[in-house]
Amino acid sequence: GDSVTQMEGPVTLSEEAFLTINCTYTATGYPSLFWYVQYPGEGLQLLLKATKADDKGSNKGFEATYRKETTSFHLEKGSVQVSDSAVYFCALNPSGGSYIPTFGRGTSLIVHP
Amino acid sequence: NAGVTQTPKFQVLKTGQSMTLQCAQDMNHNSMYWYRQDPGMGLRLIYYSASEGTTDKGEVPNGYNVSRLNKREFSLRLESAAPSQTSVYFCATHGQAIYEQYFGPGTRLTVT
Repeated sequence: GDSVTQMEGPVTLSEEAFLTINCTYTATGYPSLFWYVQYPGEGLQLLLKATKADDKGSNKGFEATYRKETTSFHLEKGSVQVSDSAVYFCALNPSGGSYIPTFGRGTSLIVHP
Repeated sequence: NAGVTQTPKFQVLKTGQSMTLQCAQDMNHNSMYWYRQDPGMGLRLIYYSASEGTTDKGEVPNGYNVSRLNKREFSLRLESAAPSQTSVYFCATHGQAIYEQYFGPGTRLTVT
């Protein structure tokens, strides 16, 4: 079946540091790929998405590129802020019209001033 | 436009008690989902409803029942709560084009 693997956290950075959170997936066909962010005490919200190979999703300074050859969708940000502290989830929706997404286990990011 | 709403926000139950978690969406989406989130386990799908009038089991359905009351509302019922059901519960819908998910704020349930 489909699966999503993300790096374990927590990831601890100082403000203005570069962020990478790795995500790799296993799926047949051409899934859509997503990053969601969960701030403390809240539900998940969509951060960015990519629907086909080589697409780059971007939002709020975060970027991720859909790499079919390495089955990866790594999240990056050039300069993190304290307000970026949250849990980040990588996810995929399978191709073929399935309604069931697959989520990674989440990576906690802690940014210190 | 409230999106996805859930009630209650917090609940404490004793073992054996029952309760219903409510979810409503005003996004006119067909599909709705119930997840639970536990530390280190990520999100696990309990039940989902692909459209009004249909429901299906997810990964962890035991101990739960659901009702898709109409297109807007999808409720989750615990008939006899157990401490293992202590968790944060999220309701979600998905968009029509690429199926991105929209989540409610969650219900934090403690069973003692």
